[in-house]
Parts: sequence; C-alpha cells; structure tokens
Amino acid sequence: QSVLTQPPSVSAAPGQKVTISCSGSSSNIGNNYVSWYQQLPGTAPKVLIYENNKRPSGIPDRFSGSKSGTSATLGITGLQTGDEADYYCGTWDSSLSAVFGGGTKLTVL
Amino acid sequence: QLQLQESGPGLVKPSETLSLTCTVSGDSVSSSNYYWGWVRQPPGKGLEFIGSIYYTGSTYYNPSLESRVTISVDTSKNQFSLRLNSVTAADTAVYYCSVLRGEARFDPWGQGTLVTVSS
Repeated sequence: QSVLTQPPSVSAAPGQKVTISCSGSSSNIGNNYVSWYQQLPGTAPKVLIYENNKRPSGIPDRFSGSKSGTSATLGITGLQTGDEADYYCGTWDSSLSAVFGGGTKLTVL
Repeated sequence: QLQLQESGPGLVKPSETLSLTCTVSGDSVSSSNYYWGWVRQPPGKGLEFIGSIYYTGSTYYNPSLESRVTISVDTSKNQFSLRLNSVTAADTAVYYCSVLRGEARFDPWGQGTLVTVSS
C-alpha cells in the first residue's frame, strides 16, 4: 500500500492529452514539492517534473505538472507511442522519508 | 555529467546481509549540493525509498526499514554503500542508487541491480 495514491492505469490515443493524478495528505504533498518520474520498460526511472511544475533540461514541454492542496497532477499532451511507460509521483513526508505513488501505467492506444 | 553505477552480489541467502555499492563519477560524494540515496523496486511493483546520506554522514531512513538499514559514504573511493540486514524473500528487488536533490527529486539514477534473496 503506497502512501501516495495514483490510478493504476490510464490510456489515450496518439496525439491526445492525458492526466495522471497523485493524492496524498498534509503530511506529504500538502507541505512539500512533488516530483514525477517516467519509467520505460526495463529501465531506471527518469525525472520529468520537479518542484511541482519544473522540467529538467531536455524534457519536452508536452509534460507539465501542477499541485493543489494535497494532490498533484501530471499532464502529457501530444501523446506518442514512445510515452508508454509507468509514471510515479514522489514527495517528502513528515516521517522524514521520501514517499512514492504506486505508479500508473500509460497505454497509448 | 553525474553518473552512478551499482555493484554487488545478485544473490543473497535469507537471514544474511545484502551489501551494495554505488560508484559516483562526474562529481564528488563530498559535494554539499546533494544527498545520495537508495530506492528499490520489487519485481512488478512500485518504488520504495530506502534511505539517503549527506557527505557529513547525516542520514534519513525509511521508517519501515530503519532497524535493518545502514547507508555510509566512502570519500576515498567516491562511493556510497547500502547494507540491509536479516533479509527475506520480500527484499528481492531491483536496487537503484540515485542523487537526491531538494525534496524527493531523484536525478539521475543508476541503471539498477537485481538482488534476489533465496537459499
């Protein structure tokens, strides 16, 4: 059971937009920055978004992040087949530990 | 460019100690800019934070693992290490080392190493 709650799966057609939600509490998301990670099959996770809505260099602006209260959202526009991956949200918790969501599998139909 | 590489045994017997090392290149583990962390992922499951360490030796551990975990830094070898005691099959996972920048921004990651706990 993960501390942060994500939908197990989402799907959309190529070119469309999808959002992935991440729900937490005042002990974690409510008082800390959120990061988002993409994990392509068989590879290590890669950060897409940090500090709620910032993109590292090299990450296209098709990926966006937002946070409101104790929830965060990852948005992906112009979906491509190469975006098929598992996506995780992460943040810091008042237990002085990083916590992650259970992951969301994105299928591009 | 900061790069990390995990190394260590791929098979550990139940009740024994899992030991992994992360070799850092492109920066020094003595850098005051980041923490160094470990994250694991059981087969087919999600990510779990194990712990992190600052160059001063200050550590943060996942409360669920804290009693069995030790993370240390070796500045002479530019490495940091993980020890997990009294392992069981539930500790079977891909173990990643990573750089922890700010709040839960793990970037970059090592390629990961699969550790199987089995007799």
